[in-house]
Amino acid sequence: DAGVIQSPRHEVTEMGQEVTLRCKPISGHDYLFWYRQTMMRGLELLIYFNNNVPIDDSGMPEDRFSAKMPNASFSTLKIQPSEPRDSAVYFCASIDNLNTEAFFGQGTRLTVV
Amino acid sequence: AQSVTQPDIHITVSEGASLELRCNYSYGATPYLFWYVQSPGQGLQLLLKYFSGDTLVQGIKGFEAEFKRSQSSFNLRKPSVHWSDAAEYFCAVGPSAGGGADGLTFGKGTHLIIQP
Repeated sequence: DAGVIQSPRHEVTEMGQEVTLRCKPISGHDYLFWYRQTMMRGLELLIYFNNNVPIDDSGMPEDRFSAKMPNASFSTLKIQPSEPRDSAVYFCASIDNLNTEAFFGQGTRLTVV
Repeated sequence: AQSVTQPDIHITVSEGASLELRCNYSYGATPYLFWYVQSPGQGLQLLLKYFSGDTLVQGIKGFEAEFKRSQSSFNLRKPSVHWSDAAEYFCAVGPSAGGGADGLTFGKGTHLIIQP
């Protein structure tokens, strides 16, 4: 397996635009997590899914953020409208049903100008 | 609520010297503890994990960590660092082996600098 795949690797957008980040988890993994990493706040859990169902979205900062997992092999994190303070690296991670290890993607570096 | 504290934001070590990165956690039940490493522009890679049993755990790249319940600590060590060890190191705590339920809570990280 190629691991957790995120796209794009880098995204630069203007304030007010919609941004969609994508994640393909490792095949067979039941859990998918979205994290945000900033210098000030470190790594924060935004939302996680179990078997494609959102379980806990209490980490989503505002209603401008939304996440979906339409099937077991794909998830999106959308920000609409984007703001400069959303600039961060967004990581996706997946875990198998034995909960042995969290595998992280390489992240998407988002810059909102 | 669970939390992780990494008191050292930056650490500078000479190549070949020993290393210890500190991690303290707060968790109400038996914790599952992890150390991850992040190289520049990369995702997080698991170095080692502790679930139960022997309190000294061995990981990849020559790293080890010791769980001390009385001190709520899980410090990472390496006897002799290499220039390639320069990276960001994160300690994390979770309620299950992979953090499947509620995910992992991370410390703010320690930036390791290796001097020639």
